[in-house]
Amino acid sequence: EPEVTQTPSHQVTQMGQEVILRCVPISNHLYFYWYRQILGQKVEFLVSFYNNEISEKSEIFDDQFSVERPDGSNFTLKIRSTKLEDSAMYFCASSEAGAGLMSYEQYFGPGTRLTVT
Amino acid sequence: DAKTTQPTSMDCAEGRAANLPCNHSTISGNEYVYWYRQIHSQGPQYIIHGLKNNETNEMASLIITEDRKSSTLILPHATLRDTAVYYCIVMYNNDMRFGAGTRLTVKP
Repeated sequence: EPEVTQTPSHQVTQMGQEVILRCVPISNHLYFYWYRQILGQKVEFLVSFYNNEISEKSEIFDDQFSVERPDGSNFTLKIRSTKLEDSAMYFCASSEAGAGLMSYEQYFGPGTRLTVT
Repeated sequence: DAKTTQPTSMDCAEGRAANLPCNHSTISGNEYVYWYRQIHSQGPQYIIHGLKNNETNEMASLIITEDRKSSTLILPHATLRDTAVYYCIVMYNNDMRFGAGTRLTVKP
C-alpha cells in the first residue's frame, strides 16, 4: 500500500540554525501539506501546496518557513533560524484531490521530530 | 470551517462497538465530515468521511443525522489497537483544523 514517507525521523538542531524536513508524498497525489504538533498539544495546519505554489497557509506559517517541491517526488519544509518553540513533530500529508472533491482524504507520514536546543 | 464538539474521553470494552459522537451544529451545506485518529505520536490516520449519507468502509461506519448537525463514528468491534485519539473535522477548504478529539481507550 502506498504511503507517505518522511526523513529524518528525528532531527536535533541548535537555535538559529536552518533545517530542512523532507517528505515523499504518495506518487499520484497532487496536493501536499505540512502540519506540526507540539508535544501534548493538538495537530496544527501549516500550509497546503498545489501546482507548485502555496494554496493556503495558517498564521503559524510566517516568513521563517518555506516549502518547495524541488523535483518530481520530494516535498520539503525549510525552517530558517530555528527557535526553541519550533520543537515539535512535523507531519507531511498528501491527497489525490483538493477540498470539496470526494477523493480529498489526506494521508499522513510518520512525522519528523524536531528538537531545537 | 465549522467547529466541532467531542467528548474528551471514552472507554470501550474490547469486542464491543465503540460509538464516538461529534456535534457540528454550524456545518454548512458544502462541508464534509471527516474522521481521523492518532495512535500515540504517529501521524493522523484517515478513517472515513461523508457529506449527507451514512458511509461504511472496512474500518468504520459514519452516521450523519438528517440535519447534519451531528454525526457518530462507529467502530463495530473495537480492539486494543483501536486505542487512540479520534478527531472529527468538518471542512471545505484545504486547511484541516484539528481539535482536541476524543481519547478512546479500549479495555480488555
